[in-house]
Amino acid sequence: KNQVEQSPQSLIILEGKNCTLQCNYTVSPFSNLRWYKQDTGRGPVSLTIMTFSENTKSNGRYTATLDADTKQSSLHITASQLSDSASYICVVSARVSGGYNKLIFGAGTRLAVHP
Amino acid sequence: ETGVTQTPRHLVMGMTNKKSLKCEQHLGHNAMYWYKQSAKKPLELMFVYSLEERVENNSVPSRFSPECPNSSHLFLHLHTLQPEDSALYLCASSQDRGGDIQYFGAGTRLSVL
Repeated sequence: KNQVEQSPQSLIILEGKNCTLQCNYTVSPFSNLRWYKQDTGRGPVSLTIMTFSENTKSNGRYTATLDADTKQSSLHITASQLSDSASYICVVSARVSGGYNKLIFGAGTRLAVHP
Repeated sequence: ETGVTQTPRHLVMGMTNKKSLKCEQHLGHNAMYWYKQSAKKPLELMFVYSLEERVENNSVPSRFSPECPNSSHLFLHLHTLQPEDSALYLCASSQDRGGDIQYFGAGTRLSVL
């Protein structure tokens, strides 16, 4: 069964600190993995996308890693800011019959950055 | 803004009411999606439209009825809902069906009393 699990479920950190969010998946056949940020009252917005051959990808203070062998990904946030408070959702694409991609969503990690 | 607009942003309705959610995308995309997001649960895909044709219905109860009059607009008609249907309903679009890059609207927060 295709599944995406994220940890922790929620996290509180102080402004300026770093943090790492985890994503484990059992999705086959794997197409790519994406991290979304969802602010309160908004829809998810894509942060990064990684294909099978990519190990690391950065977007400003966000760095995503992918280990396709262990089927794990992480999102590292450096020097956190209050505006980083949001839910972070890991989404894995599986190639299904017909050549389409099916998205499998994690439940998200809710991050709160406190001053 | 993502180019996907949803209205209303908030909706409270009784179990006997009929209401509709609206989604409009200004991105020239060919595929549109309805998702349900409940607290602490992954997004659940409800319906997929490609070129105005419904191509996927993920066992959604008939009290939810989608409509796609053209490639830019998507509706979700609601009737005789249950309290457990209270959730955030998200609309998304992508260039084509199965596109990896989906752009989401801000959602409609629905409360069923």
